[in-house]
Amino acid sequence: NAGVTQTPKFRILKIGQSMTLQCAQDMNHNYMYWYRQDPGMGLKLIYYSVGAGITDKGEVPNGYNVSRSTTEDFPLRLELAAPSQTSVYFCASSQTHYEQYFGPGTRLTVT
Amino acid sequence: DQQVKQNSPSLSVQEGRISILNCDYTNSMFDYFLWYKKYPAEGPTFLISISSIKDKNEDGRFTVFLNKSAKHLSLHIVPSQPGDSAVYFCAATVGGGKLIFGQGTELSVKP
Repeated sequence: NAGVTQTPKFRILKIGQSMTLQCAQDMNHNYMYWYRQDPGMGLKLIYYSVGAGITDKGEVPNGYNVSRSTTEDFPLRLELAAPSQTSVYFCASSQTHYEQYFGPGTRLTVT
Repeated sequence: DQQVKQNSPSLSVQEGRISILNCDYTNSMFDYFLWYKKYPAEGPTFLISISSIKDKNEDGRFTVFLNKSAKHLSLHIVPSQPGDSAVYFCAATVGGGKLIFGQGTELSVKP
């Protein structure tokens, strides 16, 4: 039982490049989330999903896109990367909104 | 508008003493509160929670207190251990909806 896995662990992008952050969970959770954490700040919700085929915006969705074609996977797409997207990205899953299980994070730098 | 605030970015405590981490909130509709713990290079992990119908919840060395009139909650760790050194986030939700996180407090427990 791997829990929530995220790839890659680290990535450096140039301004304007695109990439997809991968997230998978093996707990059969309905809810999945993407957060970003900037230095000295809490976790900000980017997008979330309540089940396959259903996604919704969080607090800071601009510049990102998501899809949820299966229960297990919830990739986050960055189009036209900008320096403001330099952050640590966490994926999480849960059976309810309460006790969320987090992946180890992806540290992204945009230069 | 920061609905959940942790005003102390850091806290240093001697091993064996009590650690008290504080969290304030502004939204009186919040009805469930959680604490998460985060080690460097890892995702946050759920620690303890409390419903707004209670004023105290205890789990081993960890106790969360809720003061609804003051819109304040606190996490007490007794006795503190060096392994408790981590960043602690409080979070709140309305009706099982999305979590709103505070900025985090970095706890350092010195031997």
